[in-house]
Amino acid sequence: DGGITQSPKYLFRKEGQNVTLSCEQNLNHDAMYWYRQDPGQGLRLIYYSQIVNDFQKGDIAEGYSVSREKKESFPLTVTSAQKNPTAFYLCASSEAHSSSYEQYFGPGTRLTVT
Amino acid sequence: AQKITQTQPGMFVQEKEAVTLDCTYDTSDPSYGLFWYKQPSSGEMIFLIYQGSYDQQNATEGRYSLNFQKARKSANLVISASQLGDSAMYFCAMRESGGYNKLIFGAGTRLAVHP
Repeated sequence: DGGITQSPKYLFRKEGQNVTLSCEQNLNHDAMYWYRQDPGQGLRLIYYSQIVNDFQKGDIAEGYSVSREKKESFPLTVTSAQKNPTAFYLCASSEAHSSSYEQYFGPGTRLTVT
Repeated sequence: AQKITQTQPGMFVQEKEAVTLDCTYDTSDPSYGLFWYKQPSSGEMIFLIYQGSYDQQNATEGRYSLNFQKARKSANLVISASQLGDSAMYFCAMRESGGYNKLIFGAGTRLAVHP
């Protein structure tokens, strides 16, 4: 079955540690995205990538980094510079040239930093 | 700046009744897209329906329809014949212009369907 995989579902880290969230898709989509969701709020864009080896900052990129070395993978690193890293992180992908530009989402990773 | 507003933090509906979830948007771009997503308690985002700014007819997908009023800049989601499984958060989103397919999300509306 085609889809987006995020692992792990729950992640716990100590403050000051970097942590990498995994996102893999087998939909052959060119574009991939990372969003952050805080309780009771909508999604905010962290980073996005339209093609391999290229990515752009979203609205809240500070304290995060990404890489896009393969079409199917778009890992997100939450660095120690991110002041409030505890949140729900969602990865998405889309066909860059689809008329509806629908984004497909993974199941999310809930990160808790203490 | 482009913006999505969902003014209803929570809504209640009786099973089998219809419900309308409000969404207004703000953009100066003549070309844009509007989306509705459902987020159950498990957290995944499920795509429901899409409306393009140049589409002449309101979008429909099964029990979901989008009441698109371009002049009023509103894109309300109508769920007909509500089911208990419709209880979830619902997010309205707009695709930004610029060719990068970035989505801007509203704050969401929590829908509770009562038996």
